[in-house]
Amino acid sequence: AQKITQTQPGMFVQEKEAVTLDCTYDTSDPSYGLFWYKQPSSGEMIFLIYQGSYDQQNATEGRYSLNFQKARKSANLVISASQLGDSAMYFCAMRESGGAQKLVFGQGTRLTINP
Amino acid sequence: DVKVTQSSRYLVKRTGEKVFLECVQDMDHENMFWYRQDPGLGLRLIYFSYDVKMKEKGDIPEGYSVSREKKERFSLILESASTNQTSMYLCASSSRTSGDHTDTQYFGPGTRLTVL
Repeated sequence: AQKITQTQPGMFVQEKEAVTLDCTYDTSDPSYGLFWYKQPSSGEMIFLIYQGSYDQQNATEGRYSLNFQKARKSANLVISASQLGDSAMYFCAMRESGGAQKLVFGQGTRLTINP
Repeated sequence: DVKVTQSSRYLVKRTGEKVFLECVQDMDHENMFWYRQDPGLGLRLIYFSYDVKMKEKGDIPEGYSVSREKKERFSLILESASTNQTSMYLCASSSRTSGDHTDTQYFGPGTRLTVL
């Protein structure tokens, strides 16, 4: 069965520092997708970044990048130059192959940016 | 922009009541999903639907049912609400294309349900 593990329940970072949020996954399927979502206190899940299992390059979206290490089965999110507005819950998720496109989520990491 | 709306942000119900949570998306997505979110457990899939009138059980379907009579609307039903169903409920939708992030799931704002 597919599984996502986020080992950091909470992280505290100074504003403008870079931060890495850890995510490891387990699957026997050679084709999969990895997603990161942000959930501010308002509750809505906001899509941040996607990495496909066959992608050769690490995904980047503005200040967000994904450190994809396939052999280690890790997909860490890196946020550069953190801002106060980055304070939120962050979820890593994996999509199963097949038509239903279900996502399996990790437990989440609560990131707090200190001024 | 993709828009997924949910009928209520906050809901308080009594044990034994029948509860309807409504979700509407405006992007003509084929797939729709219902999750519940609890602290320390992340999001867990309750039910999903990949077409009108089609439904599939997720990981925790017990105590829930769903209805999808129209493509844009996916309803979650608690037949007889219990206190252990107090949770945050999130609806999502995605298109059926596969292979890249165009099939990203887009989420509604969530409904925080309290069952007394």
